[in-house]
Amino acid sequence: LAKTTQPISMDSYEGQEVNITCSHNNIATNDYITWYQQFPSQGPRFIIQGYKTKVTNEVASLFIPADRKSSTLSLPRVSLSDTAVYYCLVGAGTGRRALTFGSGTRLQVQP
Amino acid sequence: KAGVTQTPRYLIKTRGQQVTLSCSPISGHRSVSWYQQTPGQGLQFLFEYFSETQRNKGNFPGRFSGRQFSNSRSEMNVSTLELGDSALYLCASRQLPSSSSYNSPLHFGNGTRLTVT
Repeated sequence: LAKTTQPISMDSYEGQEVNITCSHNNIATNDYITWYQQFPSQGPRFIIQGYKTKVTNEVASLFIPADRKSSTLSLPRVSLSDTAVYYCLVGAGTGRRALTFGSGTRLQVQP
Repeated sequence: KAGVTQTPRYLIKTRGQQVTLSCSPISGHRSVSWYQQTPGQGLQFLFEYFSETQRNKGNFPGRFSGRQFSNSRSEMNVSTLELGDSALYLCASRQLPSSSSYNSPLHFGNGTRLTVT
């Protein structure tokens, strides 16, 4: 089971870049790394997914080192609306493995 | 495409009763999974269905069960409700080409808020 560890909370200011790191020491060879964003009373929303090196889309970048035992979600120039909980998910239910989310990182963006 | 739809949005039940929650996945998605979210335990996986078959299951008692229909819609049932079952129940669907693939992102509904009194 790929257990993930993330910081419980982070604070930032509008316009800054925010980097959230997730540790996943026992990631399996076939596991992808996926990040989700969740606002209160809503379901998590997919942000980005990657396997190795760097992935970028219109909202975020995902950096994965060669050993793949950690990953970093990078949010450029955050705004107040980025205040949310961010979850890292490693693996996606291969075979009989459960889909296990970490405890999430609560990001608070201040004006 | 319409997103994942969960009904009802809110539900209040009494201890000992049973409840059925419904989830309609995104059109074309054959996988549906269920999660329980509480402030203390976070997001916990209940089970996943693919083409009407349960593919994997989390660590929950047998009071929690589910099923998936031929149109991919899914229901989750909790029997003999306990106070600790109060939670936000989330459903997610994903597009899997086959039962052995697993890396497609999850698409969540906004959940059913269950309160047990």
